[in-house]
Amino acid sequence: ILNVEQSPQSLHVQEGDSTNFTCSFPSSNFYALHWYRWETAKSPEALFVMTLNGDEKKKGRISATLNTKEGYSYLYIKGSQPEDSATYLCASLNNNDMRFGAGTRLTVKP
Amino acid sequence: DGGITQSPKYLFRKEGQNVTLSCEQNLNHDAMYWYRQDPGQGLRLIYYSQIVNDFQKGDIAEGYSVSREKKESFPLTVTSAQKNPTAFYLCASSGFSVYEQYFGPGTRLTVT
Repeated sequence: ILNVEQSPQSLHVQEGDSTNFTCSFPSSNFYALHWYRWETAKSPEALFVMTLNGDEKKKGRISATLNTKEGYSYLYIKGSQPEDSATYLCASLNNNDMRFGAGTRLTVKP
Repeated sequence: DGGITQSPKYLFRKEGQNVTLSCEQNLNHDAMYWYRQDPGQGLRLIYYSQIVNDFQKGDIAEGYSVSREKKESFPLTVTSAQKNPTAFYLCASSGFSVYEQYFGPGTRLTVT
């Protein structure tokens, strides 16, 4: 059974702080790594999909990197804002089998 | 608007009763999925369907049943055989593969 781990489980930061969290995933038969942003009472929304080792993606103040050889991805948020408060989920697609981490719950205090 | 709807948002049932959760999509996606989320755990796959009239068990199918009579709809029944039914249930759909999934807003089921 594949294991996708995310850390930390939760994070509280002040508005304006930059922050990052980690997703570790199995590197064997790897196909793609997904990051989702999940606000309370809403549907998870796709942020990034990355497939190649060394991939970096950016959307505004949020960026992500991918290391498929060692099986980890980082999500960075620069200058956090209260509206960034959400749970950030990662999911690894290995051998047509998608597995989700438990998420990192980010709270940004004004 | 294209998307996935799940209803109701909150559902309360007595132990021993079956309950059906609705999931509808108008994205013309072939594949649909049901996940369960428990505190501190990742989403776990209950059932999935890649085409109408066909579905497969996921990792935690025991105590659940599904049907896929229409492309747009994939209802999940939580039966009385499910030992711990209280959870948050998410439905998702994707195009031709599991590659990119779109999620509904979820249903929180509480069984007492």
